[in-house]
Amino acid sequence: SQQGEEDPQALSIQEGENATMNCSYKTSINNLQWYRQNSGRGLVHLILIRSNEREKHSGRLRVTLDTSKKSSSLLITASRAADTASYFCATGQTGANNLFFGTGTRLTVIP
Amino acid sequence: DTGVSQDPRHKITKRGQNVTFRCDPISEHNRLYWYRQTLGQGPEFLTYFQNEAQLEKSRLLSDRFSAERPKGSFSTLEIQRTEQGDSAMYLCASSFTDRGGGYTFGSGTRLTVV
Repeated sequence: SQQGEEDPQALSIQEGENATMNCSYKTSINNLQWYRQNSGRGLVHLILIRSNEREKHSGRLRVTLDTSKKSSSLLITASRAADTASYFCATGQTGANNLFFGTGTRLTVIP
Repeated sequence: DTGVSQDPRHKITKRGQNVTFRCDPISEHNRLYWYRQTLGQGPEFLTYFQNEAQLEKSRLLSDRFSAERPKGSFSTLEIQRTEQGDSAMYLCASSFTDRGGGYTFGSGTRLTVV
């Protein structure tokens, strides 16, 4: 079964706008990761945030983690048409050796 | 080393046939994972190897599924007596234990059982 739930399920924005996706999870984690998947392709690792971190940046990406609320958010700033993809959060659970993926947010960036 | 390779990219098979997929991970990665993804869903964990040892299997991995990683290099996933419900994208990923980083995924094998 999947661990995380992303919100919203789908998001459509204009190029240049910011996109925010949220992830909620249920158990104790060591880290939380975000991945991107273009249609019909494999997943690409974007960013990892550890359970003792609250915020992390990578280029146009900003990730926050609130372990008290068991939630994370991914912000993509100044979106581009090439950012159109599905975005998944994945949790590295305490005591587990694999990642548990959420259901994903489908982002569409309109040129 | 250009990443994780999966073969074939697509497989169409008749119900009841056996199929085998291959995954070649990044050579220095000691962990290899198999996931299954159906349309509109996130990947679901099937099994993982550390070197040649299969250390964990999901309840999703029925008796018809078997995975191997001989010599700790490439891996194969075999599905026997395929069913229509096996239709999915099968994803392979690899990682290096001590780096605490993310997984590198292959492009997947899309299986269609007719």
